[in-house]
Amino acid sequence: EDKVVQSPLSLVVHEGDTVTLNCSYEVTNFRSLLWYKQEKKAPTFLFMLTSSGIEKKSGRLSSILDKKELFSILNITATQTGDSAVYLCAIAGGTSYGKLTFGQGTILTVHP
Amino acid sequence: NAGVTQTPKFQVLKTGQSMTLQCAQDMNHEYMSWYRQDPGMGLRLIHYSVGAGITDQGEVPNGYNVSRSTTEDFPLRLLSAAPSQTSVYFCASRPGGGLNIQYFGAGTRLSVL
Repeated sequence: EDKVVQSPLSLVVHEGDTVTLNCSYEVTNFRSLLWYKQEKKAPTFLFMLTSSGIEKKSGRLSSILDKKELFSILNITATQTGDSAVYLCAIAGGTSYGKLTFGQGTILTVHP
Repeated sequence: NAGVTQTPKFQVLKTGQSMTLQCAQDMNHEYMSWYRQDPGMGLRLIHYSVGAGITDQGEVPNGYNVSRSTTEDFPLRLLSAAPSQTSVYFCASRPGGGLNIQYFGAGTRLSVL
């Protein structure tokens, strides 16, 4: 059974801080790992990672995958109050459909 | 750009009632899924479809039925609602092929009393 564990479960920081969110996984036939940001409503896509060691970057957010150690990290630099959200990690494995298995999420709160 | 549209946004049911959560996408995506989200448990897959006429069970299918008669629509039916089905429900879709990026609707918050 595929499994995703995120840590920490919650995090409170001040604007300008840098945060690192962790995601470890167990999966049969790994296909990809995805990060989503969820504010009040629907999860919105951030990154998809398929290869080890290749950093994906979008503005102040970046992510990297280690397929040997079975984990990924999501970094956010110079945090802003708008970064406050739940960050979800998911893996796609198994059949060609690539069903997503999600972690519990990390609740990030950024104070002014 | 409608994307994935879910209705209703909120619903309150009494135990034993039935209802259908609607999901429609206008992106011509082959794959559609239903997830439920409960506090501290992330999103869990209920049912999914890889095309019109083809559906399969996910991790937590009991108490739910689905059908997929068209590419656009993927309704989720609760046959006899139970308090354990109180949750937020998300519908998602993605195109066929190797990319696993799923696009989510805004969700339906369901309370069963």
